[in-house]
Amino acid sequence: QQQVKQSPQSLIVQKGGISIINCAYENTAFDYFPWYQQFPGKGPALLIAIRPDVSEKKEGRFTISFNKSAKQFSLHIMDSQPGDSATYFCAVMNSGYSTLTFGKGTMLLVSP
Amino acid sequence: KAGVTQTPRYLIKTRGQQVTLSCSPISGHRSVSWYQQTPGQGLQFLFEYFSETQRNKGNFPGRFSGRQFSNSRSEMNVSTLELGDSALYLCASSLGPLGGDTQYFGPGTRLTVL
Repeated sequence: QQQVKQSPQSLIVQKGGISIINCAYENTAFDYFPWYQQFPGKGPALLIAIRPDVSEKKEGRFTISFNKSAKQFSLHIMDSQPGDSATYFCAVMNSGYSTLTFGKGTMLLVSP
Repeated sequence: KAGVTQTPRYLIKTRGQQVTLSCSPISGHRSVSWYQQTPGQGLQFLFEYFSETQRNKGNFPGRFSGRQFSNSRSEMNVSTLELGDSALYLCASSLGPLGGDTQYFGPGTRLTVL
């Protein structure tokens, strides 16, 4: 059973556009929701994270929107740039267990 | 601060052999987690160590094992390698319980089993 479902699998956005990636989870015990960015040949790097007590968090061009009742959260990349082309992973964690469960990833291509 | 370091970066082994991978966490971090990344299964949790004790374990066979040393450095071992063990093995470090949930990943060790 997949604990976190991520969509879309791949995404092509024009430079300057908005990239939106969605994740849905089942277990209400999860209380930490990070997004990671991974470039080929590199390990995942933390982009931004949110906890369920807030509905939105913004850091620069990156925003997480969180809907606790729907058990969904999404990553918005504003003014997308070719340098944002990478694979993005959402993850969930129950802080009591300190283990991340990842979505399958979204390959983002930002065309110049 | 230096990031998480993993050695070696690349490894080629044959079926039936065993392998040991090493991870040095960020200075001051006491928790180390290991993940396996494959194209088919994605990123999957292997195990987590804190203060030299395994706190959590993922759904992997007993051929996968690990340990943590008193300086927080960690090793993972895979015995009797199978073709399906070919993957990128990632180590992540964090402060540990009550220190925050943020995990910082190393560059990984690319293991190829022939």
